[in-house]
Amino acid sequence: KQEVTQIPAALSVPEGENLVLNCSFTDSAIYNLQWFRQDPGKGLTSLLLIQSSQREQTSGRLNASLDKSSGRSTLYIAASQPGDSATYLCAALKTSYDKVIFGPGTSLSVIP
Amino acid sequence: DTEVTQTPKHLVMGMTNKKSLKCEQHMGHRAMYWYKQKAKKPPELMFVYSYEKLSINESVPSRFSPECPNSSLLNLHLHALQPEDSALYLCASSQGTDFSNQPQHFGDGTRLSIL
Repeated sequence: KQEVTQIPAALSVPEGENLVLNCSFTDSAIYNLQWFRQDPGKGLTSLLLIQSSQREQTSGRLNASLDKSSGRSTLYIAASQPGDSATYLCAALKTSYDKVIFGPGTSLSVIP
Repeated sequence: DTEVTQTPKHLVMGMTNKKSLKCEQHMGHRAMYWYKQKAKKPPELMFVYSYEKLSINESVPSRFSPECPNSSLLNLHLHALQPEDSALYLCASSQGTDFSNQPQHFGDGTRLSIL
């Protein structure tokens, strides 16, 4: 059974810092992994999707990497801003009609 | 603004009421999903529709009844809910017939409270 964990559960950093969020999954037979952000009381916003054949994806100040062999993905946020404050969730996806598994999320607070 | 629209944004209902949640997308996506999210927890998949046919039902109680009248609309009919069903209900959509290689786009959800 696939399990997804995220470390740390919460993170508070001063504005301008670079930071790394971690996501681990137990079943390496994933097809891809997606990173989302969720603002309080809102839905999820897709940030990056890494296919199993890829090692990383970049969008602006965000960079996500995937290492299937070790069962890990990281989300790197460069030069953090207060607007980055949100909960970040990773989700492991499988081929065929199977269940998508979300991690519990990392609550990020960027202090001005 | 999200491209997936959910209505209503908030819903309060008694345990004997019947109500429906609605979700609409006009991105031409052929897969649509219902999730349930409790406070400070990740979303849990409930149903997946692919080409307007139910493809996944995650053993959801029958008091939740999904319906996909066409490729742009997804409903969730509610009847005889329990207080523990209070949660944020999220709708999502993606291109293709499964969600493996296409990012999911989420609505802002319906906040449901059961009295």
